[in-house]
Amino acid sequence: DAGVIQSPRHEVTEMGQEVTLRCKPISGHNSLFWYRQTMMRGLELLIYFNNNVPIDDSGMPEDRFSAKMPNASFSTLKIQPSEPRDSAVYFCASSPWRGVGNQPQHFGDGTRLSIL
Amino acid sequence: AQTVTQSQPEMSVQEAETVTLSCTYDTSESDYYLFWYKQPPSRQMILVIRQEAYKQQNATENRFSVNFQKAAKSFSLKISDSQLGDAAMYFCAYRTFTGTASKLTFGTGTRLQVTL
Repeated sequence: DAGVIQSPRHEVTEMGQEVTLRCKPISGHNSLFWYRQTMMRGLELLIYFNNNVPIDDSGMPEDRFSAKMPNASFSTLKIQPSEPRDSAVYFCASSPWRGVGNQPQHFGDGTRLSIL
Repeated sequence: AQTVTQSQPEMSVQEAETVTLSCTYDTSESDYYLFWYKQPPSRQMILVIRQEAYKQQNATENRFSVNFQKAAKSFSLKISDSQLGDAAMYFCAYRTFTGTASKLTFGTGTRLQVTL
């Protein structure tokens, strides 16, 4: 079975540019999560969706960050404009959601983002 | 808000020996789920083991087992017969039991080194 698929795997871009990270969750999973991992702050939840609807975006650092889930098989995380402090590994994860929290989240391989 | 604390930034174990990684958490909820994830240098996040708070029996997965002490809010991971492939960052995580709040809260991680 295909796991969570993220693209690109690496992204290097200059400050001020728009960055779009993509995620395809596991088929049948109706919860999707975006995390950011840095040495200083560890793993932080940015936003998550249930059935394509954003449930909690309190972790989104500022208005430069936005996330969408137009359908059950695709989500994007966009940063515009990007800044050097946005450099991190961004993970997407998915899980089934059946009203209880016992289903583990399955993570993609992450996107390593470097803003110069 | 829930918090997860891993007080050991680094641990080392000799091959074939046993090591225990500590995790404590703070919550006012009575029902929840706990997880241990492993992140090798490849940066994948791999589920190691999970525990339902309502179960008194400690979870076990092959060489991995947990010591879940609900009253003490402690959730340690024991790795028996350590192998070189166990070297990785290990993250403890807490997940709400039900409702729409489905997010994982991660600890800061413990880096495990396995020596010959």
